[in-house]
This record gives sequence, structure tokens and C-alpha cells, in this order.
Amino acid sequence: EVQLVQSGAEVKKPGESLKISCKGSGYSFTSYWIGWVRQMPGKGLEWMGIIYPGDSDTRYSPSFQGQVTISADKSISTAYLQWSSLKASDTAMYYCARHDTSSSWGAFDIWGQGTMVTVSS
Amino acid sequence: EIVLTQSPDFQSVTPKEKVTITCRASQSIGSSLHWYQQKPDQSPKLLIKYASQSISGVPSRFSGSGSGTDFTLTINSLEAEDAAAYYCHQSSSFPYTFGQGTKLEIK
Repeated sequence: EVQLVQSGAEVKKPGESLKISCKGSGYSFTSYWIGWVRQMPGKGLEWMGIIYPGDSDTRYSPSFQGQVTISADKSISTAYLQWSSLKASDTAMYYCARHDTSSSWGAFDIWGQGTMVTVSS
Repeated sequence: EIVLTQSPDFQSVTPKEKVTITCRASQSIGSSLHWYQQKPDQSPKLLIKYASQSISGVPSRFSGSGSGTDFTLTINSLEAEDAAAYYCHQSSSFPYTFGQGTKLEIK
């Protein structure tokens, strides 16, 4: 079964760092782009960026460039989203999702279960 | 950045009705437009890809059409289980973007 399994919920304080993960299984992890999507409480979906685990080619939305880092470790089929200094406004559900083809212009056909990040003092 | 504008933002409909949700792109995106359904407390689910391509396992009452800047998601004979938020998403040019969403309520 093709699936993406994300790490568990996190509660952090402003200024702390964080790295959440997304582990792929059931397919060739290096051959499909993986994206990250933010959903703030009660709001819509926001495209953050994507990475191609095969060569770590990464594209960011300007809204998130410099605010987060997307990376991948192909040896363990895992993609990451990290923050160096969290803000309260980073409180949201974060989803990883896989493109449906090996191209960079795909649809997200497989989604992780989401990781809730809460940033509060 | 390509802006996707969905309409309506909210719709209250009765079962068996036909529902149409539109998504307009701020510039031409060819057929690189996809539709997702998100039920409360669930991850989004791909419904239609590349404007009109059906997805295995998705009920046939869901269909998509359009190209260029104007796209439509149609739900024929709405069922109670279709209560959800629906989002369009373009993968034509970076940064990829989502529409603001359409919330469907079943009366």
C-alpha cells in the first residue's frame, strides 16, 4: 500500500526549533515529488513547497521561502519540514503529499495524516 | 503568482441536487488544475486531476471540465456524505497555489 506517515503532534514555545517528518512507503520514494501544505485553524490549504527526493531539487512558495526548510533523506524514504525559530502564527496542521507522477507539475494523489503544530508561550 | 478564485465560498444544498463549483485562474494554466475534497478532521483527497481526469475509487457523480482559466467541478445527485470543503489547485507554474475553498453544507 502506498502511504505517507507523518510524525506526531508537537507543542512548542515561540523561538524554539522544530523538524517534522513524512515517511513514504509502498513506492519508489526517490521518483516522486513530495510537497508540504499548511492549513491554519479553520482556514484553507496553502502550498508551501515541494522537493524531489531523488536529487533534493526544492521549490518554495515566496510566502514560505526563508521561513521554513524542506529537505529529504532518501536513505530512509523521509521528507522533512523544519523551522529554526517558531512563531505563534506557525500554529497549523501541516500535510505532506505526493505528486501523482515523477514530474514536477503533478496532482497530490497521496496525503499524509497531517501533523498539528501548536506554538504557544 | 497565479491566483485561483473559487465560487461560491459556501453553498447549502439538498440531497440529489446537482452542484457546480467554479475555479477561475488569474492567467491561463492549460489543464493543470486539480480538485480535492476535505471532510472535517480528515486529510484532503484527490477527486479530479488535470481538469477532467477521473480518479479510481472516486464516485462517478464527481466530474470536472474546463481549460485555460475557467474550470468547473460538478457533483451530480449530491449525497449526504459529500458535505465537505472543496479546493482547486494549479500545478502549471511555481509557486503552485490552491483556491480559497468552497464549503458544501447538506440541508
